[in-house]
Amino acid sequence: EAQVTQNPRYLITVTGKKLTVTCSQNMNHEYMSWYRQDPGLGLRQIYYSMNVEVTDKGDVPEGYKVSRKEKRNFPLILESPSPNQTSLYFCACGKGALTGELFFGEGSRLTVL
Amino acid sequence: DQQVKQNSPSLSVQEGRISILNCDYTNSMFDYFLWYKKYPAEGPTFLISISSIKDKNEDGRFTVFLNKSAKHLSLHIVPSQPGDSAVYFCAARKDSNYQLIWGAGTKLIIKP
Repeated sequence: EAQVTQNPRYLITVTGKKLTVTCSQNMNHEYMSWYRQDPGLGLRQIYYSMNVEVTDKGDVPEGYKVSRKEKRNFPLILESPSPNQTSLYFCACGKGALTGELFFGEGSRLTVL
Repeated sequence: DQQVKQNSPSLSVQEGRISILNCDYTNSMFDYFLWYKKYPAEGPTFLISISSIKDKNEDGRFTVFLNKSAKHLSLHIVPSQPGDSAVYFCAARKDSNYQLIWGAGTKLIIKP
């Protein structure tokens, strides 16, 4: 079954405590991306990767890091989380650049106290 | 600067009737438009798309219309079913890549 798997699905943490949200896809897609969803703002792109070892900033990259050492994995790292990073995070991978169609994980709800 | 706007946060429609979800955009360089559907506790799933060179695309009960002069697109669902209750996101693409600009979403509620 084609899947994008995110972990953890839910996390409550405190300001400054480093955390990593993992994302793994089994569709062999080259493109992967991280989004955050906030009320009234839709989905905003954090970082994306067109291929292994290639990453680029999206619209809201501040406070986040990513890496793409393997095709299937694209972890999102919060080195020093702050309360304004409390959000719902989605990882996605791309089927084909022609249509821009994306496959999403189920989401990770992060609360930073 | 919201380049893609969904001005209705929510919409309630009777089962069996037509649901019309609207989306406005400001950038005439967008070349592809997509609609995604999202249920609670799940990620968005692709629903239907339309290229900027077309004005209509149909897939079963779902039809998307594009009015380029008005910079407006709409998603029609006919007939509406209870399983259509979800949040619908409109997204626009620029420059033939994966970079999408998203609307804020419209929550559709189908009443039995």
